[in-house]
Amino acid sequence: GENVEQHPSTLSVQEGDSAVIKCTYSDSASNYFPWYKQELGKRPQLIIDIRSNVGEKKDQRIAVTLNKTAKHFSLHITETQPEDSAVYFCAASLAGTASKLTFGTGTRLQVTL
Amino acid sequence: DAGVIQSPRHEVTEMGQEVTLRCKPISGHNSLFWYRQTMMRGLELLIYFNNNVPIDDSGMPEDRFSAKMPNASFSTLKIQPSEPRDSAVYFCASSLNQGPNGELFFGEGSRLTVL
Repeated sequence: GENVEQHPSTLSVQEGDSAVIKCTYSDSASNYFPWYKQELGKRPQLIIDIRSNVGEKKDQRIAVTLNKTAKHFSLHITETQPEDSAVYFCAASLAGTASKLTFGTGTRLQVTL
Repeated sequence: DAGVIQSPRHEVTEMGQEVTLRCKPISGHNSLFWYRQTMMRGLELLIYFNNNVPIDDSGMPEDRFSAKMPNASFSTLKIQPSEPRDSAVYFCASSLNQGPNGELFFGEGSRLTVL
């Protein structure tokens, strides 16, 4: 089955700096890579996703990059703000099927003033 | 739509008691997932259903755990008997597995404490 590893487990940045979270996956058949954000005490929510037919996707201050050859993908947050503080989970699956989504172990991001 | 609805939001019980968690997925979604979240193990998939049929229950920890989905709008996760190590937040999620959009919509979670 799919195995997703995520680093770092915790990340502290100053407001305005950039944050980068990295994930690797094991199943070369995976082609859907979403990122979920979970604020304290809340449910995980999708913030951005990328499919294997593209190498990069951007949405305002958030961007994801994908390297299928190396089987790794990253989340980049620029100009971080206190409301970006949360736990971020990467995941991988085979899109368009009933396949399960395998999550990474999460990264706790703390944006300090 | 109200989103995925889970109940109870919080449950405190004693070891050995039966626990039943409930989930109502988003109307029209054809896949339903049960996840368990702990600090040590993160988000673990316990079981998922597609069109009310269990597809993969390899994540169910042991025979004390069981899940059912009698119809498209309701699912239960049961733990009998419960143990302190079952203490966690249990999330139900649903999705529409058609085409490339695989977004999971999570419920608010059920926080279980087993004393």
